[in-house]
Amino acid sequence: DQQVKQNSPSLSVQEGRISILNCDYTNSMFDYFLWYKKYPAEGPTFLISISSIKDKNEDGRFTVFLNKSAKHLSLHIVPSQPGDSAVYFCAASGWGNTDKLIFGTGTRLQVFP
Amino acid sequence: DAGVIQSPRHEVTEMGQEVTLRCKPISGHNSLFWYRQTMMRGLELLIYFNNNVPIDDSGMPEDRFSAKMPNASFSTLKIQPSEPRDSAVYFCASSLDSQRHPFFGQGTRLTVV
Repeated sequence: DQQVKQNSPSLSVQEGRISILNCDYTNSMFDYFLWYKKYPAEGPTFLISISSIKDKNEDGRFTVFLNKSAKHLSLHIVPSQPGDSAVYFCAASGWGNTDKLIFGTGTRLQVFP
Repeated sequence: DAGVIQSPRHEVTEMGQEVTLRCKPISGHNSLFWYRQTMMRGLELLIYFNNNVPIDDSGMPEDRFSAKMPNASFSTLKIQPSEPRDSAVYFCASSLDSQRHPFFGQGTRLTVV
């Protein structure tokens, strides 16, 4: 029972273009959402987050959008760079159980020149 | 700060053997998490501790899995007996109560043959 779903296992984008990674969730109690980035042979590293009271959060080239009615969030990377090539995990946690992060299965992003 | 330290980085063992994975959280962090990464299920939360006390172990797959946190600077995840389907990358992560994004170690790649 996947509460957080990343339906695209992979994405390939040309350098300089926009990368859009998508994530859906099923639990309406989730109130905090995060994206982690993972390089091979390394642990995931925190990238950006958004609270359910917002619908957008921006940090440099990275923007996360939240659509609560659709239970959907997305990560936009503009412009994409070859160093962005990694696996991106979406995660969520809920009010009253803020420690418990539920992760999706990940999307492998490849940015080619 | 050295970050979350896991050992060993790689472990190859025969089916039926006991395996112990180790984790040293970031100094001062009071929450510790064990995750398992597989292709099919992404990052699964196995168990987490707060102030050395196990809070939620609902993700532990079977009685063959056990975890301990004898003090604030050390935790172990034990599999006894190990099976080939336990082969995965196991991550340890830690955080402060005030944070909502844990910091991950580099992981232990376990192969059970």
